[in-house]
Amino acid sequence: KNEVEQSPQNLTAQEGEFITINCSYSVGISALHWLQQHPGGGIVSLFMLSSGKKKHGRLIATINIQEKHSSLHITASHPRDSAVYICAVFGSGGSNYKLTFGKGTLLTVNP
Amino acid sequence: NAGVTQTPKFQVLKTGQSMTLQCAQDMNHEYMSWYRQDPGMGLRLIHYSVGAGITDQGEVPNGYNVSRSTTEDFPLRLLSAAPSQTSVYFCASYGTGTYEQYFGPGTRLTVT
Repeated sequence: KNEVEQSPQNLTAQEGEFITINCSYSVGISALHWLQQHPGGGIVSLFMLSSGKKKHGRLIATINIQEKHSSLHITASHPRDSAVYICAVFGSGGSNYKLTFGKGTLLTVNP
Repeated sequence: NAGVTQTPKFQVLKTGQSMTLQCAQDMNHEYMSWYRQDPGMGLRLIHYSVGAGITDQGEVPNGYNVSRSTTEDFPLRLLSAAPSQTSVYFCASYGTGTYEQYFGPGTRLTVT
């Protein structure tokens, strides 16, 4: 079983819809990242969380440490949001130098 | 700041050839890592370094070698390229006291 599980694997939405991508992890963590990767492109860090909630423009990320779960929300989705969204965690203790990644969620937003 | 830079952007190798993928950062970050990204597998850690002179293996280290002689540079060497090493390679770094990750633009490697 992967330490980081994302759902859904693929998501298709119409422009303007509210989008939620989920991430569950099975280990203790120091921090959780949400990353964005456009097709053929580089990887950009959207959020880094260790508790609570963060907002940046139309993007909101939340984390529940007790439930080992995080969500990424996109409000008023736009075709330029089409990308792969990746959840990644830094472990705690001796593994806190290394990121473990989910397999990503491919989001397609149609106009 | 240039951030994290990687060269080359694209490379084609024949089986058995060796090469070095370059990674450099200008943010004085202690921690640097190499990942490979394969379809359906996500990103996997190859090697990482917690400071100059200190490296360790990640999840998929076989066939790769690293060294860290300076804080800025963290090259990844393919000793004898194999088709299974066809992948996109990303270098990343972060500094002490923060887990904020910075990724390089990636190197797309094809081994024929």
